[in-house]
Amino acid sequence: NAGVTQTPKFQVLKTGQSMTLQCAQDMNHNSMYWYRQDPGMGLRLIYYSASEGTTDKGEVPNGYNVSRLNKREFSLRLESAAPSQTSVYFCASTQRSLNSPLHFGNGTRLTVT
Amino acid sequence: KQEVTQIPAALSVPEGENLVLNCSFTDSAIYNLQWFRQDPGKGLTSLLLIQSSQREQTSGRLNASLDKSSGRSTLYIAASQPGDSATYLCAVRRALGNTDKLIFGTGTRLQVFP
Repeated sequence: NAGVTQTPKFQVLKTGQSMTLQCAQDMNHNSMYWYRQDPGMGLRLIYYSASEGTTDKGEVPNGYNVSRLNKREFSLRLESAAPSQTSVYFCASTQRSLNSPLHFGNGTRLTVT
Repeated sequence: KQEVTQIPAALSVPEGENLVLNCSFTDSAIYNLQWFRQDPGKGLTSLLLIQSSQREQTSGRLNASLDKSSGRSTLYIAASQPGDSATYLCAVRRALGNTDKLIFGTGTRLQVFP
């Protein structure tokens, strides 16, 4: 029972490099989210996808792009990484039902030097 | 703007104590409130979800209450154990466009020592 799977677990980038964080869920959830977690700031929403084929900006979308490839997969892309994007990134998913809990992946720890 | 605050930021207690973690939020227009646990280097695990129409939820040694009118929730942990050591986060769920979002507090880091 995999739940939400994120890859990679760790990544080090140099300023200006690009990369894509992958997320897949096997629970047939409609909604998927990307959060970043920084010390003292809690989790902040980057982008979300209410359903397959739709994506919308969250609180901190600048410097990121997303793709909802299909119902299972939701990827996050950094086109030109900056040190301010050093963070832990979490993907989450849930049913459309408002009172369904969110399920989180184990995160990707990204360092940009 | 919805803000979620958790007090205390850190807590260290001896094993066996009953303890209370606090969560407050500024906007009562929420669908529900969730409590999560986060172990170091791991993702978040949902512990309890209280719907806006409910007052409390229980799971084992955990009891969460919700007072929407005052913007407060508490997580009560009975007979704490070293295995309870983790960071506990609360989050409120509210509308966002054609979907919804969770707004998180910054967490309470709990250490239970033997």
